[in-house]
Amino acid sequence: GALVYQYPRRTICKSGTSMRMECQAVGFQATSVAWYRQSPQKTFELIALSTVNSAIKYEQNFTQEKFPISHPNLSFSSMTVLNAYLEDRGLYLCGARDWLGGRPGQLYFGEGSKLTVL
Amino acid sequence: AQSVTQPDARVTVSEGASLQLRCKYSYSATPYLFWYVQYPRQGLQMLLKYYSGDPVVQGVNGFEAEFSKSDSSFHLRKASVHWSDSAVYFCAVSAGGGSGNKLIFGTGTLLSVKP
Repeated sequence: GALVYQYPRRTICKSGTSMRMECQAVGFQATSVAWYRQSPQKTFELIALSTVNSAIKYEQNFTQEKFPISHPNLSFSSMTVLNAYLEDRGLYLCGARDWLGGRPGQLYFGEGSKLTVL
Repeated sequence: AQSVTQPDARVTVSEGASLQLRCKYSYSATPYLFWYVQYPRQGLQMLLKYYSGDPVVQGVNGFEAEFSKSDSSFHLRKASVHWSDSAVYFCAVSAGGGSGNKLIFGTGTLLSVKP
């Protein structure tokens, strides 16, 4: 079956430092990867959408300078939270789409990387 | 702009009772609609999806949802809830774009099942 693994599951970092998280797709080709953030007591906000061989599209309020994303192949993506501060804490989810098997919008999600900022 | 509204932030039901979680969407074209569940300290799992056809779709663990174009709704139902169904439920709509990966989520409904 299709699975998405995310690591680390949890990270605690000091304010002003950076944190890198990774997303691994197993059993399918992750042509597109969407990164979401769930802040405490809130819903999931789309940070950016990455499609192999296309430019990464960032949503309003999120920038490449703050959340650089790498999507080098059909099984892996990473995102870094640079200069993390309190407002960046939350659960970061990776959702990957199988181009061949899925219709638009069907994503397989990882279990998330939880970021705590001290 | 596309949006999803879940009017109930919290729903409490007794074990064995029936359940309905409400979802209203706003989208100009034919929507792709989803329900996801988030168990404590976990990520998202898809319960069911609607693309087209029969407006009643069946999902995992006895959940079903009904799409209504006239009402712009996609309510989630279950005939008899179990304590293990306690979780946060998110309704989502797929919004445009070439890849169709842009899911817009509602604010979620926390379901508490009393023993």
